[in-house]
Amino acid sequence: DGGITQSPKYLFRKEGQNVTLSCEQNLNHDAMYWYRQDPGQGLRLIYYSQIVNDFQKGDIAEGYSVSREKKESFPLTVTSAQKNPTAFYLCASTSRVRGANVLTFGAGSRLTVL
Amino acid sequence: DAKTTQPTSMDCAEGRAANLPCNHSTISGNEYVYWYRQIHSQGPQYIIHGLKNNETNEMASLIITEDRKSSTLILPHATLRDTAVYYCIVRFTGNQFYFGTGTSLTVIP
Repeated sequence: DGGITQSPKYLFRKEGQNVTLSCEQNLNHDAMYWYRQDPGQGLRLIYYSQIVNDFQKGDIAEGYSVSREKKESFPLTVTSAQKNPTAFYLCASTSRVRGANVLTFGAGSRLTVL
Repeated sequence: DAKTTQPTSMDCAEGRAANLPCNHSTISGNEYVYWYRQIHSQGPQYIIHGLKNNETNEMASLIITEDRKSSTLILPHATLRDTAVYYCIVRFTGNQFYFGTGTSLTVIP
């Protein structure tokens, strides 16, 4: 089945450690996105990439880094510079459906910094 | 940039239609309106999208006003499994999508 796979689903880390969240898609989608969600809040855009080897900052990119070396992979690194990294992280990609760019989401990764 | 506003929460009796409004008064002429829903701790699920015309699929109907400044998502016969947070979103500059805080729909038995 085609889809977006995020791993790990749950991750615990000590303060000051960098962590990398994986996002893999087999949908052959060009554009990929990373969102952060805090309890009771909507989704906020961290980074997005429209093609391989290119990505743009979203609203809350500080303390995060990404790479897009392959079309199917868009890993997110949460660095020690991120002041409050505990959150639910969602990866998505877009496809064209009846002229529109429709987002497809992964199941998410929940990061807890102790 | 286009943004959306939605009521924070709504209740709906099981079996009745759930009508979820969204205001997107700053939307530009070529931007679509999308609806997603999110069940706790899962990724958002696509429901429907539209540009100008009303749309219907197996999950819901989308009614967009003629001036495109607002829309309504209709779940025709709400079930308990429809309890979720519903997001009305629009796309703006640079292929980004704006998510507000959504409407928390509770379907009551």
